[in-house]
Amino acid sequence: GAGVSQSPSNKVTEKGKDVELRCDPISGHTALYWYRQSLGQGLEFLIYFQGNSAPDKSGLPSDRFSAERTGGSVSTLTIQRTQQEDSAVYLCASSLVEGSRRQYFGPGTRLTVT
Amino acid sequence: AQSVTQPDIHITVSEGASLELRCNYSYGATPYLFWYVQSPGQGLQLLLKYFSGDTLVQGIKGFEAEFKRSQSSFNLRKPSVHWSDAAEYFCAVGLASFGNEKLTFGTGTRLTIIP
Repeated sequence: GAGVSQSPSNKVTEKGKDVELRCDPISGHTALYWYRQSLGQGLEFLIYFQGNSAPDKSGLPSDRFSAERTGGSVSTLTIQRTQQEDSAVYLCASSLVEGSRRQYFGPGTRLTVT
Repeated sequence: AQSVTQPDIHITVSEGASLELRCNYSYGATPYLFWYVQSPGQGLQLLLKYFSGDTLVQGIKGFEAEFKRSQSSFNLRKPSVHWSDAAEYFCAVGLASFGNEKLTFGTGTRLTIIP
């Protein structure tokens, strides 16, 4: 079946502009995660959604970052007033909460802020 | 706070040689441990995972890893590498809190294979 998809695959934006990144999880997966991979860094947890529970936003680096998940499926990560340090690959993952706890990752969105 | 350390930023091995990638973690309880691989232009792919039980776990592509609680380590091994194994490898700890399985990743080890 289809895996996790993300769009766009690449995004170049000017400093100060807002961007939206989209994630389509695997159908039926109730958990959804956003991670950020900066150049030379490991992956950094940003936010987690599980069903109708309040999201875990503990990894968001600033209040310029926000995310929502509509209908328990598609998620959008929004970065307002982008800064150059926001340049990174943003990865989305989804999983079933029970069982294997395996997270399936999408291909990522490469964001470049000029 | 929990953390994952991958002390080797870059490793080069000859094709056919054995491989060991190191991973150490810091966590207050029994961790859930993972190894992921990221090939150029590809997403992260799970190689193997440890939750409990047998401390030697087998994964895909001929990889295995051994959980050693006394050393807080979860090193990845392969007896004979192939050129296609060239990639970036990430060790991760799963933090299970009320079902939240957010992962803490190491900074990765880049593997280069030479003929």
